[in-house]
Amino acid sequence: QVQLVESGGGVVQPGVSLRLSCAASGFTFSSYAMHWVRQAPGKGLEWVAVISYDGSNEYYADSVKGRFTISRDNSKNTLFLQMNSLRADDTAVYYCARDRYRFGYWGQGTLVTVSS
Amino acid sequence: QSALTQPRSVSGSPGQSVTISCTGTSSDVGGYNYVSWYQQHPGKAPKLMIYDVSKRPSGVPDRFSGSKSGNTASLTISGLQAEDEADYYCCSYAGSYTSPFGGGTKLTVL
Repeated sequence: QVQLVESGGGVVQPGVSLRLSCAASGFTFSSYAMHWVRQAPGKGLEWVAVISYDGSNEYYADSVKGRFTISRDNSKNTLFLQMNSLRADDTAVYYCARDRYRFGYWGQGTLVTVSS
Repeated sequence: QSALTQPRSVSGSPGQSVTISCTGTSSDVGGYNYVSWYQQHPGKAPKLMIYDVSKRPSGVPDRFSGSKSGNTASLTISGLQAEDEADYYCCSYAGSYTSPFGGGTKLTVL
């Protein structure tokens, strides 16, 4: 069965960097576009970034453009999100999700808290 | 990358039907037949309920249905049940792999 497992969250100070990972299993990872979606405490879902199945295309929400980088290692079935210059408003649960035109499968999420 | 517009809350009694709207533009909802809907219970990951405007994934009850007219999509839940109480989010493909969400609608089953 499809499984997505995020890791790498934690409590960090403003301005620092953090890298999230999403380990995929149960499907051919290299055949699917992958996304990061986040949800701030008590708020709605916000699409963050997407990477094409082969890593050749990346797109970002305006709120993270220039600070976050999405990448993937198809040999290790793993998705990444490098987050630089973190701000308080980046505090959220970060989910990885599969598929190009819909989010058919989600991980359980990893919490990132940016606080001094 | 504007968020889609949903009502903040809707409510209905058990057995009744409710409809949640999702308004976008010709660049997202109106431009593609890739509208999807997600159910989220507190503390849980979202769950796909409808995709490609009106298709249901395996395991989703046929009480859930989706439609679209112009720049507005709708999710209808018929025969409301207590377990349907949750937050619901719409999402639409908007080109270049991007997919903005609606602000979310809290469904209360009275």
